[in-house]
Amino acid sequence: NAGVTQTPKFRVLKTGQSMTLLCAQDMNHEYMYWYRQDPGMGLRLIHYSVGEGTTAKGEVPDGYNVSRLKKQNFLLGLESAAPSQTSVYFCASSTRGENSPLHFGNGTRLTVT
Amino acid sequence: AQSVTQLGSHLSVSEGALVLLRCNYSSSVPPYLFWYVQYPNQGLQLLLKYTTGATLVKGINGFEAEFKKSETSFHLTKPSAHMSDAAEYFCAVSEGSSGDKLTFGTGTRLAVRP
Repeated sequence: NAGVTQTPKFRVLKTGQSMTLLCAQDMNHEYMYWYRQDPGMGLRLIHYSVGEGTTAKGEVPDGYNVSRLKKQNFLLGLESAAPSQTSVYFCASSTRGENSPLHFGNGTRLTVT
Repeated sequence: AQSVTQLGSHLSVSEGALVLLRCNYSSSVPPYLFWYVQYPNQGLQLLLKYTTGATLVKGINGFEAEFKKSETSFHLTKPSAHMSDAAEYFCAVSEGSSGDKLTFGTGTRLAVRP
C-alpha cells in the first residue's frame, strides 16, 4: 500500500546544476500535482497533469518542467537550479471527480547552494 | 480569485484543552473547503472537507469544522487536545472540481503542552 512515493528524499545541488524529481503513484489516479512548500507561504502549485501525456502550469511554474509519459509517474525537472528553488517539494495525486482529496507523498527536501 | 487566511502561524495549547484553528476564505462562487494536517517529515493528509449540505463537518481524530457562509469562515475545532495532535494544519479552498483550483492557507503549527 505505497500510495504516492517520491524520490529522492533529500538532495543538495549547486547553482546551475540540473536534476529530476520522480513521483510515482499506485492508486490509478488521473490527476497529479507538484507543489513547493516554503515557510510562511503554505503550498504553491508548480505544475499539474490531468492525464497521461498532458501537463499544465500552476501558480509558480518558472524554472521547472514536467512530464507525464506514464499515468503512474510525474516527473519534475529543474534545468538550471537557483538558490530560490531551495524548498520542500511535494507530489500529490487525486482521482477525477468532484472534490476528490489529494494524496500526498512525503516530500523531497532540496537545497541549492 | 479565491484566497485563504489562517490567523496565527503558531498555536500552543495544554493537553486536554480546546483546540481552535481559524480559517477565513474569499471566493466568488460557493466554495469547497478542506482542512489538511501535516505531521513532521510527512506529506499532508486530509482531515475533513465541506462540499454541500450539512455545515458542521466531522473529520478524523475527533476534529470538526463548521462552514459559516455569513462569516466566510471554516474554523477547525477539537474539544480536547492530545499530544499526538501536534502538527501543522492547513486550510484550503477550491472553486473547482479538481485539485488544480485548490488554494492553501499558510498553515498553523499546533503545539500541545503536557
